[in-house]
Amino acid sequence: DIQMTQSPSTLSASVGDTVSITCRASFKISNYLAWYQQKPGKAPKLLIYKASNLESGVPPRFSGSASGTEFTLTISSLQPDDFATYYCQQYHTNSYTFGQGTKLEIK
Amino acid sequence: EVRLVESGGGLVQPGGSLRLSCGASGFTLSYHWMTWVRQAPGKGLEWVANINTDGGEKYYGDSVKARFTISRDNAKNSVYLQMSSLSVEDTAVYYCASLRGFSGYDAIDYWGQGTLVTVSS
Repeated sequence: DIQMTQSPSTLSASVGDTVSITCRASFKISNYLAWYQQKPGKAPKLLIYKASNLESGVPPRFSGSASGTEFTLTISSLQPDDFATYYCQQYHTNSYTFGQGTKLEIK
Repeated sequence: EVRLVESGGGLVQPGGSLRLSCGASGFTLSYHWMTWVRQAPGKGLEWVANINTDGGEKYYGDSVKARFTISRDNAKNSVYLQMSSLSVEDTAVYYCASLRGFSGYDAIDYWGQGTLVTVSS
């Protein structure tokens, strides 16, 4: 199975900051990677698909990039609503895997 | 508005069985691959199973293979997850969700609110 290693596990930042979260795949996944945001007690929300494509309705301060097997979610100019937990997920095979999650906290 | 609504969760004893249902509205379920994802209390997301549009292809995570069965009834706009030989490690919120495109290789776009399954004696 493809393993997704996500880092950091926790990230402290302030409103207005720019932050990045990284996911590394154990094998090539041809950019079949998504990013999700989850708030406590709620279902995850799709932010980015195919590594760098912004889902409809998601603010453009969210962006995704890829370099080989390393994928990055960048959030620019953090807003209060952005403090949540973020997950990456690969869908290159029919055995999906998620990263461990990154909790973005207010500094 | 697309809505996916799960039901059937609850308390079950170890070794027991449970069937989860997921109904869709505002959404033609038959056009989409569907998936179940779970989240143990305080933990991350774990993919459980996928099913293609006509139910002819099914895929399972290693931790549930041979114990869980995903199925669908497009006429009822519903998806199901039959769970058996349940253990305490299966305790989680179970989410029903749809894949974004029309293939089995896509992100997960619409999610239900989740249903809690608790396995305990």
